[in-house]
Formats: sequence, structure tokens, C-alpha cells
Amino acid sequence: QQPVQSPQAVILREGEDAVINCSSSKALYSVHWYRQKHGEAPVFLMILLKGGEQKGHEKISASFNEKKQQSSLYLTASQLSYSGTYFCGTRISNFGNEKLTFGTGTRLTIIP
Amino acid sequence: GAGVSQSPSNKVTEKGKDVELRCDPISGHTALYWYRQSLGQGLEFLIYFQGNSAPDKSGLPSDRFSAERTGGSVSTLTIQRTQQEDSAVYLCASSLRQSSGNTIYFGEGSWLTVV
Repeated sequence: QQPVQSPQAVILREGEDAVINCSSSKALYSVHWYRQKHGEAPVFLMILLKGGEQKGHEKISASFNEKKQQSSLYLTASQLSYSGTYFCGTRISNFGNEKLTFGTGTRLTIIP
Repeated sequence: GAGVSQSPSNKVTEKGKDVELRCDPISGHTALYWYRQSLGQGLEFLIYFQGNSAPDKSGLPSDRFSAERTGGSVSTLTIQRTQQEDSAVYLCASSLRQSSGNTIYFGEGSWLTVV
């Protein structure tokens, strides 16, 4: 049930773009994206709900493809501050006590 | 406080001892999660509380692990007879209510080292 993230790690130069993918074997109701810097708590980026919407936050945006049960996080013109580990969390239902399950993370390193 | 508060922030314990980790969720948040993160690893779900419903304990790795939530607010995660493989950061998170549209907010974590 744990979503699968790819790539596991990526190194970019400042200003380059990156795409991080999150896939599930189960039908998803929502996808949540978080970023965690070393030694700190994960910080919320955005939620995508069933409906295939796309959201954006400054130069970070995401999409949710229901048919593929996949979400992608897009980071454009990356900045040094984007470095960290990105996690996607998924819920398969909006009913009952459905927990949020996280992927294994994608470590992003931005170099000057 | 404004955020999720966890204590202790760091704990070193001897193998075989019991430890208790505390979480104070954001005021008014009815949903509370515990996750475990080993060094360089992902977020492993442990247990989830939602209001007065029975908790989802499906992620607890063994019967040495237990958690309770008193009065629908503060939660305590207890690890009995600690083992070296229990060394990890234990993260608590809370959200307003059980809903796919609600953000969960994490605390800074309790770093547990078993020696």
C-alpha cells in the first residue's frame, strides 16, 4: 500500500528543473506532498484531491493522474532552498479512519 | 503552543529499558498520528487516533509498542524493552479532522537512541 517514489535521489544545478513521481497500486483519493530538510520536521507543500487537478505554489506545482494513480511534483528553476527530501503521502479513501501512508522519499540536492 | 510539541527532543536509553514519548497536538486537532523515521529512511506509519474512534494500530511493529491518547488531546507512545533497532526519530502529527482535504502538521520529533 506504500506509494512508490522515483527517482530516489537527484542532483541539480541551481536553475534546473526536476520532476518527482509518486505511484500507487491502489486507487487514490488524495495525494499530499511534503518537503523535509535535514534534521527538521516534514513541511506541507500541497494536497491534490481526486479529480486530476493541478496545483501550484510559487515555482513548485503538482498534478494528479487518476487513471494512472500517479502524482508528479514539478520544481522549475530550482533554488538552493529547494534542497531536501520530498515525500508523497496518499489516502485511498475519504471514508472511515483512513491513514496517510508515505512513500520512501526523493532526496533532492541543488548545487550552485 | 502554535505547533505540534513533542518531548523529549532527544533520548538515549539502554537496551532493555522502557521509554515514553509525548506528543501535544495543535489545539482543536482531533486526528493524531505517530510515524517512525530511521536514519535516511522514509516515514513509517505506526498508529493513528481520530476522535473517539478506535485507533488504527496496524503500523505498530511489535507488541512492545503501544500508544494512548488521553482526553482526545495529549498522546504517549511507549516502547517497552527497547532494542537497538528501535533507534529512530519518532514523529507525531495532527490534523483538524479526518478528511483527505486536511493538512497534517508534524512536530520536530523525538530522537531515540538505544545503546
